[in-house]
Amino acid sequence: GQSLEQPSEVTAVEGAIVQINCTYQTSGFYGLSWYQQHDGGAPTFLSYNALDGLEETGRFSSFLSRSDSYGYLLLQELQMKDSASYFCASLPGSNYQLIWGAGTKLIIKP
Amino acid sequence: GAGVSQSPSNKVTEKGKDVELRCDPISGHTALYWYRQRLGQGLEFLIYFQGNSAPDKSGLPSDRFSAERTGESVSTLTIQRTQQEDSAVYLCASSSVQGAYGYTFGSGTRLTVV
Repeated sequence: GQSLEQPSEVTAVEGAIVQINCTYQTSGFYGLSWYQQHDGGAPTFLSYNALDGLEETGRFSSFLSRSDSYGYLLLQELQMKDSASYFCASLPGSNYQLIWGAGTKLIIKP
Repeated sequence: GAGVSQSPSNKVTEKGKDVELRCDPISGHTALYWYRQRLGQGLEFLIYFQGNSAPDKSGLPSDRFSAERTGESVSTLTIQRTQQEDSAVYLCASSSVQGAYGYTFGSGTRLTVV
């Protein structure tokens, strides 16, 4: 089967750092994507890792370890506007369709 | 267009009526996807179109659901004889083959069946 697991909810404090983990089990694997979705909004693309290691984009970074079938999204200097749901998604490659995790709701407290 | 456009943004319909949802993808994006998202839930895959290939309909929940796409342009998702459990946000996304990891989503259609 194909599945991605991520925590359902994570709570953090404004200004802090938070890591959202994602483990995957897919029959094929080209890379791992991350999306952000605010309440009432559409998912928006954040990052994509095809190779092992850390990719940094401003306050957000994403990490992939193919050997561990694991990745994470790291958010630094948390702001209240970062309160949202975050989805990891894998690209199995067979037909370019992403396989989605169930999403992690990030709650930020002042 | 500059983004993925969906219409209507909101639709309230009576149980048993048919509804048609529209998606206009980004020009040049060969792949188009429909998802359903219930309140507080994740993305439920419905159907995937890639160019002129036969669509992947494996996510359609029942034969009341159908979708069409004209070439590499507009797609319509039709729900016949709507039921209350069909109430959800229906999201459309498009991508290029080369950028299949980065979907661009429309703002969705919020469907309420009363």
